[in-house]
Amino acid sequence: AQKVTQAQTEISVVEKEDVTLDCVYETRDTTYYLFWYKQPPSGELVFLIRRNSFDEQNEISGRYSWNFQKSTSSFNFTITASQVVDSAVYFCALSHRSNDYKLSFGAGTTVTVRA
Amino acid sequence: GAVVSQHPSRVICKSGTSVKIECRSLDFQATTMFWYRQFPKQSLMLMATSNEGSKATYEQGVEKDKFLINHASLTLSTLTVTSAHPEDSSFYICSAKGTNYGYTFGSGTRLTVV
Repeated sequence: AQKVTQAQTEISVVEKEDVTLDCVYETRDTTYYLFWYKQPPSGELVFLIRRNSFDEQNEISGRYSWNFQKSTSSFNFTITASQVVDSAVYFCALSHRSNDYKLSFGAGTTVTVRA
Repeated sequence: GAVVSQHPSRVICKSGTSVKIECRSLDFQATTMFWYRQFPKQSLMLMATSNEGSKATYEQGVEKDKFLINHASLTLSTLTVTSAHPEDSSFYICSAKGTNYGYTFGSGTRLTVV
Protein backbone atom coordinates (compact mmCIF):
# COMPACT_ATOMS: atom_id res chain seq x y z
CA ALA A 1 0.00 0.00 0.00
CA GLN A 2 1.11 3.51 -0.56
CA LYS A 3 0.57 6.32 1.84
CA VAL A 4 1.35 10.00 2.04
CA THR A 5 1.45 11.82 5.35
CA GLN A 6 1.32 15.56 5.74
CA ALA A 7 1.37 15.98 9.47
CA GLN A 8 0.87 19.75 9.44
CA THR A 9 -2.79 20.62 9.07
CA GLU A 10 -2.43 24.38 9.09
CA ILE A 11 0.47 26.81 9.07
CA SER A 12 0.13 30.54 9.55
CA VAL A 13 3.02 32.91 8.88
CA VAL A 14 3.62 36.58 8.41
CA GLU A 15 4.62 37.79 4.99
CA LYS A 16 8.31 37.36 4.18
CA GLU A 17 8.73 34.49 6.58
CA ASP A 18 9.89 31.15 5.27
CA VAL A 19 7.57 28.16 5.57
CA THR A 20 8.41 24.48 5.22
CA LEU A 21 5.79 21.86 4.49
CA ASP A 22 6.56 18.29 5.47
CA CYS A 23 5.68 15.22 3.44
CA VAL A 24 6.48 11.64 4.38
CA TYR A 25 5.59 8.77 2.07
CA GLU A 26 5.43 5.00 2.16
CA THR A 27 5.86 2.66 -0.78
CA ARG A 28 7.45 -0.69 -1.49
CA ASP A 29 8.15 0.17 -5.09
CA THR A 30 11.63 1.16 -6.11
CA THR A 31 10.22 3.26 -8.94
CA TYR A 32 7.79 5.94 -7.90
CA TYR A 33 6.94 9.59 -8.45
CA LEU A 34 6.35 12.35 -5.96
CA PHE A 35 4.39 15.51 -6.59
CA TRP A 36 3.43 18.79 -4.97
CA TYR A 37 0.27 20.65 -5.92
CA LYS A 38 -1.14 23.97 -4.83
CA GLN A 39 -4.90 24.44 -4.47
CA PRO A 40 -5.97 28.07 -4.11
CA PRO A 41 -9.50 28.97 -2.97
CA SER A 42 -10.73 28.68 -6.56
CA GLY A 43 -10.22 24.93 -6.27
CA GLU A 44 -8.08 24.35 -9.31
CA LEU A 45 -5.01 22.21 -8.71
CA VAL A 46 -1.77 23.87 -9.71
CA PHE A 47 1.13 21.55 -10.47
CA LEU A 48 4.36 22.57 -8.73
CA ILE A 49 6.82 19.74 -9.14
CA ARG A 50 7.29 16.08 -10.01
CA ARG A 51 10.26 14.07 -8.84
CA ASN A 52 11.08 10.45 -9.66
CA SER A 53 12.58 8.09 -7.14
CA PHE A 54 15.93 7.93 -8.89
CA ASP A 55 16.56 11.63 -8.75
CA GLU A 56 17.41 12.80 -5.26
CA GLN A 57 18.73 16.16 -6.28
CA ASN A 58 17.11 19.03 -4.51
CA GLU A 59 15.44 21.59 -6.67
CA ILE A 60 14.90 25.30 -6.49
CA SER A 61 12.42 27.26 -8.55
CA GLY A 62 12.23 30.89 -7.64
CA ARG A 63 11.02 31.11 -4.05
CA TYR A 64 10.17 27.41 -3.98
CA SER A 65 12.56 24.63 -3.07
CA TRP A 66 12.21 20.92 -2.47
CA ASN A 67 14.25 18.54 -0.37
CA PHE A 68 13.95 14.89 -1.36
CA GLN A 69 15.52 12.38 1.03
CA LYS A 70 14.94 8.70 0.30
CA SER A 71 16.66 7.70 3.54
CA THR A 72 13.84 9.26 5.53
CA SER A 73 11.13 8.89 2.82
CA SER A 74 10.52 12.59 2.87
CA PHE A 75 9.86 15.17 0.21
CA ASN A 76 9.64 18.52 1.94
CA PHE A 77 8.69 21.82 0.34
CA THR A 78 9.90 25.26 1.39
CA ILE A 79 8.50 28.62 0.39
CA THR A 80 11.05 31.35 0.96
CA ALA A 81 9.98 34.91 1.70
CA SER A 82 6.32 34.00 1.66
CA GLN A 83 3.73 36.27 0.10
CA VAL A 84 -0.01 36.62 0.61
CA VAL A 85 -0.57 34.97 -2.80
CA ASP A 86 1.03 31.82 -1.41
CA SER A 87 -2.01 31.29 0.80
CA ALA A 88 -3.52 27.99 -0.34
CA VAL A 89 -3.79 24.32 0.46
CA TYR A 90 -0.72 22.36 -0.57
CA PHE A 91 -0.89 18.66 -1.35
CA CYS A 92 1.89 16.14 -1.58
CA ALA A 93 1.11 13.10 -3.75
CA LEU A 94 2.66 9.79 -4.72
CA SER A 95 2.25 7.40 -7.65
CA HIS A 96 3.89 4.12 -8.48
CA ARG A 97 3.68 1.36 -11.06
CA SER A 98 2.25 -1.38 -8.86
CA ASN A 99 -0.81 0.79 -8.32
CA ASP A 100 -1.17 1.66 -12.00
CA TYR A 101 0.27 5.07 -11.25
CA LYS A 102 -2.85 6.27 -9.47
CA LEU A 103 -2.13 9.40 -7.48
CA SER A 104 -2.46 9.15 -3.71
CA PHE A 105 -2.76 12.49 -2.00
CA GLY A 106 -1.78 13.52 1.46
CA ALA A 107 -4.31 15.27 3.64
CA GLY A 108 -3.00 18.66 2.63
CA THR A 109 -1.55 21.59 4.55
CA THR A 110 -3.35 24.91 4.63
CA VAL A 111 -0.93 27.79 4.47
CA THR A 112 -2.10 31.24 5.47
CA VAL A 113 0.23 34.15 4.85
CA ARG A 114 -0.72 37.32 6.71
CA ALA A 115 0.26 40.74 5.49
CA GLY B 1 1.04 22.43 -22.56
CA ALA B 2 -1.61 19.81 -21.93
CA VAL B 3 -5.02 21.18 -21.03
CA VAL B 4 -8.08 19.44 -19.65
CA SER B 5 -11.32 21.38 -19.90
CA GLN B 6 -13.92 20.49 -17.28
CA HIS B 7 -17.55 21.61 -17.41
CA PRO B 8 -19.60 22.81 -15.75
CA SER B 9 -17.54 24.60 -13.13
CA ARG B 10 -20.52 24.93 -10.85
CA VAL B 11 -23.92 23.27 -10.83
CA ILE B 12 -26.91 23.28 -8.55
CA CYS B 13 -29.48 20.55 -9.02
CA LYS B 14 -32.55 19.26 -7.28
CA SER B 15 -32.47 16.10 -5.25
CA GLY B 16 -33.32 13.09 -7.38
CA THR B 17 -32.06 14.49 -10.66
CA SER B 18 -28.93 13.50 -12.55
CA VAL B 19 -25.96 15.66 -13.37
CA LYS B 20 -23.32 15.10 -16.04
CA ILE B 21 -19.80 16.45 -15.74
CA GLU B 22 -17.53 16.51 -18.79
CA CYS B 23 -13.78 16.47 -19.09
CA ARG B 24 -12.11 17.03 -22.43
CA SER B 25 -8.44 16.83 -23.22
CA LEU B 26 -7.91 19.69 -25.63
CA ASP B 27 -4.52 19.06 -27.17
CA PHE B 28 -3.63 15.50 -26.39
CA GLN B 29 -5.17 12.06 -26.22
CA ALA B 30 -6.10 10.91 -22.76
CA THR B 31 -6.20 7.15 -22.68
CA THR B 32 -6.68 7.18 -18.92
CA MET B 33 -8.79 9.56 -16.86
CA PHE B 34 -9.12 9.68 -13.10
CA TRP B 35 -12.11 11.08 -11.24
CA TYR B 36 -11.74 12.50 -7.74
CA ARG B 37 -14.12 13.84 -5.14
CA GLN B 38 -13.16 16.38 -2.54
CA PHE B 39 -15.29 17.31 0.45
CA PRO B 40 -14.69 20.67 2.17
CA LYS B 41 -11.38 20.87 3.98
CA GLN B 42 -10.48 17.35 2.96
CA SER B 43 -8.10 15.78 0.51
CA LEU B 44 -8.85 14.45 -2.96
CA MET B 45 -10.20 10.93 -2.92
CA LEU B 46 -9.95 8.82 -6.05
CA MET B 47 -13.35 7.57 -7.15
CA ALA B 48 -12.58 5.72 -10.34
CA THR B 49 -10.20 5.20 -13.21
CA SER B 50 -11.47 5.13 -16.75
CA ASN B 51 -9.68 3.87 -19.81
CA GLU B 52 -10.86 4.73 -23.27
CA GLY B 53 -13.16 2.10 -24.67
CA SER B 54 -13.46 0.00 -21.53
CA LYS B 55 -15.41 -0.03 -18.31
CA ALA B 56 -14.29 2.16 -15.47
CA THR B 57 -12.62 0.71 -12.42
CA TYR B 58 -14.13 2.01 -9.20
CA GLU B 59 -12.40 2.39 -5.88
CA GLN B 60 -13.73 0.52 -2.90
CA GLY B 61 -16.84 2.09 -1.47
CA VAL B 62 -17.80 4.02 -4.60
CA GLU B 63 -21.18 3.05 -6.04
CA LYS B 64 -20.71 2.40 -9.73
CA ASP B 65 -24.44 2.59 -10.42
CA LYS B 66 -24.60 6.02 -8.87
CA PHE B 67 -21.49 7.47 -10.45
CA LEU B 68 -21.58 6.50 -14.11
CA ILE B 69 -18.38 7.04 -16.01
CA ASN B 70 -18.10 6.98 -19.77
CA HIS B 71 -14.84 7.27 -21.67
CA ALA B 72 -15.95 6.67 -25.21
CA SER B 73 -13.24 8.65 -26.93
CA LEU B 74 -9.64 9.59 -26.36
CA THR B 75 -10.58 13.18 -25.64
CA LEU B 76 -13.76 12.94 -23.60
CA SER B 77 -14.68 11.35 -20.29
CA THR B 78 -17.92 12.01 -18.46
CA LEU B 79 -19.11 11.46 -14.92
CA THR B 80 -22.85 11.29 -14.33
CA VAL B 81 -24.14 11.53 -10.79
CA THR B 82 -27.46 9.73 -10.92
CA SER B 83 -30.35 10.43 -8.57
CA ALA B 84 -28.28 12.99 -6.74
CA HIS B 85 -28.83 13.62 -3.05
CA PRO B 86 -27.53 16.37 -0.77
CA GLU B 87 -24.76 14.10 0.49
CA ASP B 88 -23.39 13.98 -3.07
CA SER B 89 -22.67 17.69 -2.87
CA SER B 90 -18.94 17.96 -3.32
CA PHE B 91 -16.11 19.17 -5.54
CA TYR B 92 -15.46 16.77 -8.40
CA ILE B 93 -12.24 16.96 -10.38
CA CYS B 94 -10.89 14.93 -13.26
CA SER B 95 -7.32 14.21 -14.21
CA ALA B 96 -5.83 12.89 -17.40
CA LYS B 97 -2.77 10.76 -17.30
CA GLY B 98 -0.27 12.06 -19.78
CA THR B 99 3.15 11.11 -20.92
CA ASN B 100 6.18 11.10 -18.66
CA TYR B 101 4.07 9.99 -15.71
CA GLY B 102 2.49 13.40 -15.36
CA TYR B 103 -1.12 14.34 -14.78
CA THR B 104 -3.26 17.18 -16.04
CA PHE B 105 -6.17 18.24 -13.89
CA GLY B 106 -9.43 19.83 -14.89
CA SER B 107 -10.54 22.95 -13.06
CA GLY B 108 -13.16 21.07 -11.06
CA THR B 109 -16.94 21.08 -10.70
CA ARG B 110 -18.66 22.23 -7.56
CA LEU B 111 -21.90 20.29 -7.24
CA THR B 112 -24.63 21.39 -4.86
CA VAL B 113 -27.71 19.22 -4.50
CA VAL B 114 -30.70 20.95 -2.92
